[in-house]
Amino acid sequence: DAKTTQPPSMDCAEGRAANLPCNHSTISGNEYVYWYRQIHSQGPQYIIHGLKNNETNEMASLIITEDRKSSTLILPHATLRDTAVYYCIVRVAEWNTGNQFYFGTGTSLTVIP
Amino acid sequence: GAVVSQHPSRVICKSGTSVKIECRSLDFQATTMFWYRQFPKQSLMLMATSNEGSKATYEQGVEKDKFLINHASLTLSTLTVTSAHPEDSSFYICSARDSGLPRETQYFGPGTRLLVL
Repeated sequence: DAKTTQPPSMDCAEGRAANLPCNHSTISGNEYVYWYRQIHSQGPQYIIHGLKNNETNEMASLIITEDRKSSTLILPHATLRDTAVYYCIVRVAEWNTGNQFYFGTGTSLTVIP
Repeated sequence: GAVVSQHPSRVICKSGTSVKIECRSLDFQATTMFWYRQFPKQSLMLMATSNEGSKATYEQGVEKDKFLINHASLTLSTLTVTSAHPEDSSFYICSARDSGLPRETQYFGPGTRLLVL
């Protein structure tokens, strides 16, 4: 079962930062936070993941609260191509486990011109 | 980045026939692959975990005799929908676990849209 809750939808003006929140209040110490997005009729695309430190890559930044019970994905300058459903997933990442992903309902982000 | 392909991208079949979907990791070895199903306007639902050289592990409620999974090599897993019925029409997506990266993650294929008439 999904262990995360996200708002069902959000709008963001083109060129502005998009801040997508995720609540994972039951996260365990060995669980990572992953973010994926799915553009209509395509497979999910990996964005970023982290354990407890904030992370940044060429696509986005991930801010994880100190108690790790919530996180925020930041798209610094949203474009129309960022319109998608964004999924926040928590998952144990150990060599000897299945490392399954259980998707929640995600946030449908619409970037407005 | 890591690339996962699926074939075919879409398939239409008659009720009662079987359909095979292939999932390939193109530039990395994947000891574990996963199969998901997604109905319109819904999220992805994990069906099974496929481990190279061993039997797949199915999620609760997924019929293993209907959804046959084979993972014969480190770059290929197949899902066969046997005796397909209209209710099996869905978007089937695979993912592959790239454990070779310093911080492992899963990469998803583009999906296969199945329509059973």
